Amino acid sequence: GAGVSQSPSNKVTEKGKDVELRCDPISGHTALYWYRQSLGQGLEFLIYFQGNSAPDKSGLPSDRFSAERTGGSVSTLTIQRTQQEDSAVYLCASSSGTVLGKLFFGSGTQLSVL
Amino acid sequence: GQQLNQSPQSMFIQEGEDVSMNCTSSSIFNTWLWYKQDPGEGPVLLIALYKAGELTSNGRLTAQFGITRKDSFLNISASIPSDVGIYFCAGQPMGTDKLIFGTGTRLQVFP
Repeated sequence: GAGVSQSPSNKVTEKGKDVELRCDPISGHTALYWYRQSLGQGLEFLIYFQGNSAPDKSGLPSDRFSAERTGGSVSTLTIQRTQQEDSAVYLCASSSGTVLGKLFFGSGTQLSVL
Repeated sequence: GQQLNQSPQSMFIQEGEDVSMNCTSSSIFNTWLWYKQDPGEGPVLLIALYKAGELTSNGRLTAQFGITRKDSFLNISASIPSDVGIYFCAGQPMGTDKLIFGTGTRLQVFP
């Protein structure tokens, strides 16, 4: 596709359930980022993938959060045993790496934990 | 999670006024960037700064990379209604490849 695609766009789940959020980056982009944006807040860094290097997981808030990137393309962010405080918009971005900081964002997944 | 300090948190201005916002960090950054986010969308890059002291313009927008490498400023001149949105600074801490975002400045422009 032409841009970064995220699915689902909205997800409502019950507390304690697991959820998977998907990100399809722009074809050929080597860098992929996940951010979390709580209502009225800034973007909180979660995890960063660059090529075949080990991901930077320093922003993951707890061991309930994990992410993987298969084949250097699609990424899945998994939240286990969801809590109400996990409710937020989860944004994915990709970058070609040739222009530092030029990230292309998806429209995000709005996660609501009831 | 790690975020940059950005101010003001929100601004309510009249069309035609100039706007200034800034971002500060306790550590040195290699790169400073400014993004804008419209409702329901992801942020879009406005300006990128790569050298201390650098001053860069993009139309009515001007941004500067602070000499100390710990701050950046964004100015918008002669604001118009479509400037409404949330503006985020972002920076790359030295020694890392990740991009950290500020807490955002919410701009409202009244006709």
